[in-house]
Amino acid sequence: DAKTTQPNSMESNEEEPVHLPCNHSTISGTDYIHWYRQLPSQGPEYVIHGLTSNVNNRMASLAIAEDRKSSTLILHRATLRDAAVYYCILRSLGDMRFGAGTRLTVKP
Amino acid sequence: GAGVSQTPSNKVTEKGKYVELRCDPISGHTALYWYRQSLGQGPEFLIYFQGTGAADDSGLPNDRFFAVRPEGSVSTLKIQRTERGDSAVYLCASSLTGLAGVEQFFGPGTRLTVL
Repeated sequence: DAKTTQPNSMESNEEEPVHLPCNHSTISGTDYIHWYRQLPSQGPEYVIHGLTSNVNNRMASLAIAEDRKSSTLILHRATLRDAAVYYCILRSLGDMRFGAGTRLTVKP
Repeated sequence: GAGVSQTPSNKVTEKGKYVELRCDPISGHTALYWYRQSLGQGPEFLIYFQGTGAADDSGLPNDRFFAVRPEGSVSTLKIQRTERGDSAVYLCASSLTGLAGVEQFFGPGTRLTVL
């Protein structure tokens, strides 16, 4: 599986937008870009996924670069409940291979 | 509706013992996954079932680990001769299919402690 690179940690202020970057320069044409997040003491939770086009859902937006070598997860208004570890994952087969993710801290 | 459930939520055992961890996926989900997560790290893939068969078991660390899903629903992860290094949270996930564009739903995990 292709690898992803994410910053170890990021901080945001409450009610401000957050842009979480992910680099995946070795992405293949069949790789989907998935984002999951994990709140403390819980299992991971699906956030969003996409293949080529930008995607929006009730939780977030996913912006995918034209060459697909990077993507950005956008939380439009961060809340304290968004504090979690966010994982960017490339997936072309059934399983998912997680990296270390980005720990997002939201300050009130 | 009911999500993925895992039992027990916590398991403490002694080195060398045998343990079984159970996963009840969401009804109708054909794909089931096992992961384990050590403190401060992301989940590590162990095995993936499509129906009753293991489609990919390349993540199982050694032959002490084994998993079954005999009727294509409930799955059991079995660990023989447990070692202290097996201590981790074991996560189960299920999805409607095993296709790459489908989301996985995770259970709360089983925290295994090997003394």
